[in-house]
Amino acid sequence: GENVEQHPSTLSVQEGDSAVIKCTYSDSASNYFPWYKQELGKGPQLIIDIRSNVGEKKDQRIAVTLNKTAKHFSLHITETQPEDSAVYFCAASMNYGGATNKLIFGTGTLLAVQP
Amino acid sequence: NAGVTQTPKFRVLKTGQSMTLLCAQDMNHEYMYWYRQDPGMGLRLIHYSVGEGTTAKGEVPDGYNVSRLKKQNFLLGLESAAPSQTSVYFCASSNPWGQTAAYEQYFGPGTRLTVT
Repeated sequence: GENVEQHPSTLSVQEGDSAVIKCTYSDSASNYFPWYKQELGKGPQLIIDIRSNVGEKKDQRIAVTLNKTAKHFSLHITETQPEDSAVYFCAASMNYGGATNKLIFGTGTLLAVQP
Repeated sequence: NAGVTQTPKFRVLKTGQSMTLLCAQDMNHEYMYWYRQDPGMGLRLIHYSVGEGTTAKGEVPDGYNVSRLKKQNFLLGLESAAPSQTSVYFCASSNPWGQTAAYEQYFGPGTRLTVT
């Protein structure tokens, strides 16, 4: 089955710097890659996603890139702010457009933005 | 809309006891999911449902049962709790059609379960 690896497990940056979190997946059939942000004591919330027919997607300070050949995708956060501090999860699914949209999650990255 | 709600928020069980976690969603979503979250392991899918009256196994189904008698509710049961089931449990819901963001899974706030 699908396996998603996520690095780093922890990341500390200064406010205003950029942060990059990387994920690799094992199954070339995966075609949907969302990123979730989880704040302390809350459930994960979708922040951005990308489909396999797109190489890059941006939403204000957040961007995601996908390299299908290498089977990896990355989350980029620019001009980080203290409120960006959270745990970020990547995920992969091979059922986008299909019946179940079962997500396989990475192990998470704890991002700390130092003011 | 309340979104996805979970009951209870916290629970402590003794080994061998049983309990049911309740998930409710008011977004008329077709699909519902139960995950467990453990340190260093991310979220792992326990069971899911693609519609009222249907359930299916996820990655880690052993020791759990589920039921989806009503579209808005998804119940997770532990028949005989074990310390290995100490975890934070999240419910989520989504729809399989519609707009671009329709595949987004909406998560509840979680239930922290400790089995002693």
